[in-house]
Amino acid sequence: EDQVTQSPEALRLQEGESSSLNCSYTVSGLRGLFWYRQDPGKGPEFLFTLYSAGEEKEKERLKATLTKKESFLHITAPKPEDSATYLCAVFTGGGNKLTFGTGTQLKVEL
Amino acid sequence: NAGVTQTPKFRILKIGQSMTLQCTQDMNHNYMYWYRQDPGMGLKLIYYSVGAGITDKGEVPNGYNVSRSTTEDFPLRLELAAPSQTSVYFCASSYKNTYEQYFGPGTRLTVT
Repeated sequence: EDQVTQSPEALRLQEGESSSLNCSYTVSGLRGLFWYRQDPGKGPEFLFTLYSAGEEKEKERLKATLTKKESFLHITAPKPEDSATYLCAVFTGGGNKLTFGTGTQLKVEL
Repeated sequence: NAGVTQTPKFRILKIGQSMTLQCTQDMNHNYMYWYRQDPGMGLKLIYYSVGAGITDKGEVPNGYNVSRSTTEDFPLRLELAAPSQTSVYFCASSYKNTYEQYFGPGTRLTVT
């Protein structure tokens, strides 16, 4: 069974303090790894898709990387508006479903 | 484009009542999905559809039904609501199953 584990569960940063969120996965045949951002009371918002080990994607202060066992979401010089829950999900093709982790709740303070 | 829209935003049901959660997308996506999100748990797939007229069960289908008569609409039916169905429900769509999914704003359902 596909498993996705995200760490830490919660992270508090000062504005400008860079850090990384981790998504480790145990799957048979990864076909895609997705990162989403979710604000309270809203639906997940798509950030990145990574398809193969070594791939990297960037968007503003966010950079996602992928290895054969895990993915990192690096946040450089975060701002308070980056506060949200970040979700990781994997797709292997089985059952046409994404398997989601439980998320990392990020809070960036002034 | 409005993307994925869901109605209602909130609903309170009594045990045993039924209701339909509506979902519409205007991106001409073939794939549509229903998820539920419970505190401390990852999103779980209830049902999905790969095109009009084709639906299939996800991980947690019991107590739910779906239909897909058009590309745009994918309603989720709850029959005989139970407290265990208290959750936030999200509809999503994607162009292909390997592509990113776009989510609606969610419906918060309470069954008492």
